[in-house]
Amino acid sequence: GEDVEQSLFLSVREGDSSVINCTYTDSSSTYLYWYKQEPGAGLQLLTYIFSNMDMKQDQRLTVLLNKKDKHLSLRIADTQTGDSAIYFCAEKRSSASKIIFGSGTRLSIRP
Amino acid sequence: GAVVSQHPSRVICKSGTSVKIECRSLDFQATTMFWYRQFPKQSLMLMATSNEGSKATYEQGVEKDKFLINHASLTLSTLTVTSAHPEDSSFYICSAVQDSAYTEAFFGQGTRLTVV
Repeated sequence: GEDVEQSLFLSVREGDSSVINCTYTDSSSTYLYWYKQEPGAGLQLLTYIFSNMDMKQDQRLTVLLNKKDKHLSLRIADTQTGDSAIYFCAEKRSSASKIIFGSGTRLSIRP
Repeated sequence: GAVVSQHPSRVICKSGTSVKIECRSLDFQATTMFWYRQFPKQSLMLMATSNEGSKATYEQGVEKDKFLINHASLTLSTLTVTSAHPEDSSFYICSAVQDSAYTEAFFGQGTRLTVV
């Protein structure tokens, strides 16, 4: 199937770490992405990971990939109010040129 | 990163009229552009893949006669919603890539279509 699944909501306290999880079904995925969408706006690419990598870190963002379990996570360290947004997990497969998106996780920050 | 400009950002039209949305790659040539539709609080659903100089490939369930896509140049793709109805009201987003072996797709800022 074409499913990329995420939990719909996540609430964290400001300053804590946020961990957003994603599972996908297609083992031929070549690239896996995390996008951020703020209200009424387009998508901003946060980071991506190639399927032969286990981890990628970029400042406050850490991506972990478990290819065996087809599980991807995004960790945001020291979560700030500006991190409030919807985060989409997405995959690109070797068999197709299109990107398939998950349902998105709405991250809210509480004081 | 590369810039993709989508226009208009917001449009309101009357039921039965047609609306054209433009997607431009400003600083690179895009052999392929993708059109997505996003309902409130939902994910992006791919509508069609547009390749420069050829017919668009539509996803299952998307009416090609209703959502006309033209990719006449390497920097411009257009989506025309024909005979729009209130159920066509949605957020439409385009993305552009330089070639089919791309790593990163660049997204426009989206168009909010409201049909009244």
